[in-house]
Amino acid sequence: NAGVTQTPKFQVLKTGQSMTLQCAQDMNHNSMYWYRQDPGMGLRLIYYSASEGTTDKGEVPNGYNVSRLNKREFSLRLESAAPSQTSVYFCASSEPPQARSYEQYFGPGTRLTVT
Amino acid sequence: GEDVEQSLFLSVREGDSSVINCTYTDSSSTYLYWYKQEPGAGLQLLTYIFSNMDMKQDQRLTVLLNKKDKHLSLRIADTQTGDSAIYFCAESDTVNDYKLSFGAGTTVTVRA
Repeated sequence: NAGVTQTPKFQVLKTGQSMTLQCAQDMNHNSMYWYRQDPGMGLRLIYYSASEGTTDKGEVPNGYNVSRLNKREFSLRLESAAPSQTSVYFCASSEPPQARSYEQYFGPGTRLTVT
Repeated sequence: GEDVEQSLFLSVREGDSSVINCTYTDSSSTYLYWYKQEPGAGLQLLTYIFSNMDMKQDQRLTVLLNKKDKHLSLRIADTQTGDSAIYFCAESDTVNDYKLSFGAGTTVTVRA
């Protein structure tokens, strides 16, 4: 049981390049999330998927797109990377509404630098 | 979105108690959480409290909730070097309560 896995762990992009961050969970969770973490700003929600087949914008969606490929996988795409997207990206999953609390399980993160 | 505020840094001596404070804005939040992030890792849930509770204790951790003041605190008794980490307070969204809003995180440094 690996929990939430993310690839790659590190990535350096040039401005204008595109890439996709991959996330998978093996806990049969319904909901999945993408966050970015910047110093002094905590975690900000980029996009989330409440259940398979649905995606919604979070607090900071501009410059990103997502795909909920199936129940396990939720990918984040940067179509044209900008230096402002240099950050640490975390994927998370949770299993509402059945759970008594909505604990989110986090992956180890992807450290992205855009030059 | 909701605003969750925390002080950014806390330094504590090994063996002392640590108290990390948080204020949140949405009095309708169902759950409030404390997450821990160790260097280079993702976040891990430490504990949570349901909004109709005032206190929750779990081994060395004590969570206090003051709904009137929208204040949440986490006390770590007998702080150890392994407690050095960033601690995030989070509240659940009132409409979609599986969505969380996080504070900026408090970096706790434990000194010998």
